[in-house]
Amino acid sequence: DSGVTQTPKHLITATGQRVTLRCSPRSGDLSVYWYQQSLDQGLQFLIQYYNGEERAKGNILERFSAQQFPDLHSELNLSSLELGDSALYFCASAGPGRSGANVLTFGAGSRLTVL
Amino acid sequence: QQQVKQSPQSLIVQKGGISIINCAYENTAFDYFPWYQQFPGKGPALLIAIRPDVSEKKEGRFTISFNKSAKQFSLHIMDSQPGDSATYFCAASSSPGTASKLTFGTGTRLQVTL
Repeated sequence: DSGVTQTPKHLITATGQRVTLRCSPRSGDLSVYWYQQSLDQGLQFLIQYYNGEERAKGNILERFSAQQFPDLHSELNLSSLELGDSALYFCASAGPGRSGANVLTFGAGSRLTVL
Repeated sequence: QQQVKQSPQSLIVQKGGISIINCAYENTAFDYFPWYQQFPGKGPALLIAIRPDVSEKKEGRFTISFNKSAKQFSLHIMDSQPGDSATYFCAASSSPGTASKLTFGTGTRLQVTL
């Protein structure tokens, strides 16, 4: 157990629908990152929050949005879902590592299937 | 665009052999280069990382070699074991402190055979 909790583990929905993925970061970590992993693709950075504020944005579609709440958990909202949104969505939290840089700790992911 | 190019896409190595995965980057501002290991059904986990002030870092059977002038770095797994079979991602970041957004390579699926 990495300490980063993601729910749900699996989600099957239809095109056009909206889903919410939830992430609880590791205790003490203030940063939350969202990544998308499609079949045979690497990890695509979507968005980062630090202590409730958006810090960096990557290749996140306008149909997607996220937020980090005062208790530091984060939610990723995916709307008007398309077949191509089917992927693994990972949340990672970050805290200081031995190297001085933040070390990302990933959750087990939420597998989204859009039919 | 900040990119990290990773090769090969897949790799089959016999038990006891050396596995080598290569990555190249473009952004000279990158200053932190971790490798992540991902087993099926799990999230990626940090394996080993290096900063550009050293050319090599070794942790057990895992070694990162770093060539700053060529903008390349590689992961070497010595005495590869079946338990090392996983997908490996190289990554890089340029932001210190709290904003270390990682840019990942596309991953290498390693299979270690008996």
